[in-house]
Amino acid sequence: ETGVTQTPRHLVMGMTNKKSLKCEQHLGHNAMYWYKQSAKKPLELMFVYSLEERVENNSVPSRFSPECPNSSHLFLHLHTLQPEDSALYLCASSQVNGGTHNEQFFGPGTRLTVL
Amino acid sequence: GDSVTQMEGPVTLSEEAFLTINCTYTATGYPSLFWYVQYPGEGLQLLLKATKADDKGSNKGFEATYRKETTSFHLEKGSVQVSDSAAYFCALKGRGSTLGRLYFGRGTQLTVWP
Repeated sequence: ETGVTQTPRHLVMGMTNKKSLKCEQHLGHNAMYWYKQSAKKPLELMFVYSLEERVENNSVPSRFSPECPNSSHLFLHLHTLQPEDSALYLCASSQVNGGTHNEQFFGPGTRLTVL
Repeated sequence: GDSVTQMEGPVTLSEEAFLTINCTYTATGYPSLFWYVQYPGEGLQLLLKATKADDKGSNKGFEATYRKETTSFHLEKGSVQVSDSAAYFCALKGRGSTLGRLYFGRGTQLTVWP
C-alpha cells in the first residue's frame, strides 16, 4: 500500500449503529486529519492529530470520536449519527517540522450514508 | 477569519477550450494558496501551490498566480482535455497556522466534452 488508504470506501448505517472509519498513512508523516465533505459545502476540518496532540473543531458533535493509536493510524468512531451526517469523510496526513505543517496528502474517502 | 470564495459551477467546456476558475481569498498576512483536484471516486490531490505574492504555481498545463493586490489565485489552462473533468478546490493555509489548517472553497465541478 502507498499513500493514504481508507476503509471502508462505502458505509451505510442506521442511526442506532456504532461503526468506525479507518485511515492508514504509509508516508512516514507525523500528523493526521479528518475532514468532512458535504454536498455544496466547503470541506470542514474535524480533527487534527499532530505530534500526539489532538486538536478539534469545537463545532463537531460528540457523536464523532477520533482515535489515533500511533502516527500511522487514525480512526473515527461513529455512534448515534443523524441523517445530516451523511457525507464523504476524508483522511489526510502531513509532515510537521518545527511547527510547520507541510503539504497534506488525502485518502480516497469513506462515503457514509446514515439512514 | 480566513476564507476562500470560489466560482461555483458546474463548468462545462469542449475539449481544447480555455479554462478559468476564479478564486479569491480573505486572510491575515500572507497565506499559502493551493489548488486541489478531485477525480470521481478519489480523494483530493494537490494540483499546484504558491507560497508568496507573485509566485506562479503550475502543473499538468494548469497555472495560477498569487495576486496579493486583488487577493486572487485564479486557475487557468489553455486547452482542456476530457481527462481534466473533475472537481477543483481552491484552498489557503494561514501563515501563522499552528495546525496546518486548510480553508477550502466550495469546489467547482468541471466537465469537458470531446
